[in-house]
Formats: sequence, structure tokens, C-alpha cells
Amino acid sequence: DQQVKQNSPSLSVQEGRISILNCDYTNSMFDYFLWYKKYPAEGPTFLISISSIKDKNEDGRFTVFLNKSAKHLSLHIVPSQPGDSAVYFCAATTNTGTASKLTFGTGTRLQVTL
Amino acid sequence: NAGVTQTPKFRVLKTGQSMTLLCAQDMNHEYMYWYRQDPGMGLRLIHYSVGEGTTAKGEVPDGYNVSRLKKQNFLLGLESAAPSQTSVYFCASSQLALSYNEQFFGPGTRLTVL
Repeated sequence: DQQVKQNSPSLSVQEGRISILNCDYTNSMFDYFLWYKKYPAEGPTFLISISSIKDKNEDGRFTVFLNKSAKHLSLHIVPSQPGDSAVYFCAATTNTGTASKLTFGTGTRLQVTL
Repeated sequence: NAGVTQTPKFRVLKTGQSMTLLCAQDMNHEYMYWYRQDPGMGLRLIHYSVGEGTTAKGEVPDGYNVSRLKKQNFLLGLESAAPSQTSVYFCASSQLALSYNEQFFGPGTRLTVL
């Protein structure tokens, strides 16, 4: 049972435009959500996160929106740049006070074209 | 400061062979994790450790063993490799257990079991 879903395997966006990556989850116990970015032959790197007590978090060109009632979050990249071309993973976790075990989505491959 | 390193980068095994994957981190992190990534699936947690001398099972622990004899190292062992264990393995570490602490990932080990 996939608790974190990224239904779009790939997305192509023109440079300078907005990229919107979507993520849905089913487990209502998740209270923290993260986005990771992965280049080929490298490990994932942390991009941005959001707590369930917020509905928006912004960091430079990256903004994550959380809609708890819909169990949906999205990552907005504005403006998109060619260096943003990578696979983006959505991840979720529950803060139990022990190790933060992440549940990952299947990833969305973003290609930013010139 | 190398961050999280993994050895080896690539390995090909025959069914039934054994091997150990080494993960090392130089950030003095308490928590370490082993994930596997398969095509069409997100990263899945195999085992994790909340400190030196401790280990715990994650989502997909069967067929693997781990050890954390030193704080900076986390070993993943395959006693009798199976083709189903063909995957890319990622190690990660984090400073604290709290969910808002990001995990730092290594570059991965690509394992093929024939």
C-alpha cells in the first residue's frame, strides 16, 4: 500500500516558467513532509519541508503548500532553471520522538527545457 | 568534510553469495539509515540505528542484517544474496530523531544479483 503517491512520473517545463510537483498521502498520522531532489548517480538531497501545522513554507524559489483536508501537498519552483532538472521525491513522517522514518513517494522527474 | 560515504559504488554478486555494504559519516550524527530504491518505487527503509550499538527494523528488513559497532559506521549485510535484492542502496544519517531534522544521504551503491 503506497502511503505517499506522486502520480506524475515526469514533468517538462520551460525555463523561467513555474514547475508544480504534486504529492498525495493516505496516512493521517503523518505530521511532517519533506521534498528531496536527486540527480543521477547521487544521493537525494534535502530541499524543503513543512510541518502539518502550517499550510505554506517558502525558501527562495521553492514553496511547498500543504492541504491537510485533501491530504495533498505541492512543490512550486519559480522561476524554473535548467539546473532544477532532477527527480523530486516527496516524503512524509510521523514525529514519534524516535528515529524519523521517512516514507517516500515514487518520484517525479522534472526536465526544465531552454 | 566528506559527509556520508558508501563503499563500494557498484557490485555484482551471484545468487547465494554474501557481501557487506559500508556506510561512513563524519558529521557525528546519532541516527543512521539504510534504504533501497527500486524502479517505479520510492526509497524504502531497510534498517536504521538510533545510536552506536543499536539497530532496528524498517519497512523491508528481510534478507538483511546490520551492525553499528562505531558511531560513524553503519554496515548492511546480505548473507545469501537473491535476485530480488538487486537494487540501489542508500545510506543516510541525521543528527536528531525529530522529524524536522533532514537526513543526509550517501551517493548510493548499485548492486546486481545474478
